[in-house]
Amino acid sequence: AQKITQTQPGMFVQEKEAVTLDCTYDTSDPSYGLFWYKQPSSGEMIFLIYQGSYDQQNATEGRYSLNFQKARKSANLVISASQLGDSAMYFCAMRERTGGSYIPTFGRGTSLIVHP
Amino acid sequence: EPEVTQTPSHQVTQMGQEVILRCVPISNHLYFYWYRQILGQKVEFLVSFYNNEISEKSEIFDDQFSVERPDGSNFTLKIRSTKLEDSAMYFCASSVGGDSSGANVLTFGAGSRLTVL
Repeated sequence: AQKITQTQPGMFVQEKEAVTLDCTYDTSDPSYGLFWYKQPSSGEMIFLIYQGSYDQQNATEGRYSLNFQKARKSANLVISASQLGDSAMYFCAMRERTGGSYIPTFGRGTSLIVHP
Repeated sequence: EPEVTQTPSHQVTQMGQEVILRCVPISNHLYFYWYRQILGQKVEFLVSFYNNEISEKSEIFDDQFSVERPDGSNFTLKIRSTKLEDSAMYFCASSVGGDSSGANVLTFGAGSRLTVL
């Protein structure tokens, strides 16, 4: 079974508008972490934002915020005021304990295109 | 800002040849990882390394793969006899580790693109 599910293969947004990228997860580990990474066409993986399972408040980093709904097991990324440079693949990832280690696993990604 | 460095950025090899991909993790990081991404597909975990030994490995990481940290700074991935399906982008990543929030945030290198002909 998929541990991280990103149901939107592609999303389009107008420049300066907000966009939400969906992510749901499945784990029985009570101490987990959730990440979002951006992968532009150049290929590198850029860390955007992190949310720990015990964090009381939703994480925010500049224009990025994480809408963490623990009961629903969702961790959606909200990008406010989209810019053309936001066009990229976005990956949701979860860190959970596997054996003796915490291993981050990734979803399949969502391709975001920002239109001028 | 500290970064993870990977070499080579692109390698082309013949099927059956050995390949070594190199990584220099961030100096105060304790956990090291290799992931791969076949073109246009998901990022797949291969192996994690801590305290000079493998801590976890995936089903992909079979006997053809090995990792080592030969000199305390480099972290290498070796593929003994490459197959066509090994063609992918290979990412090295490192993290601080520990219990604090965000301690397991992975910092990725720029990747090494392997093409097997």
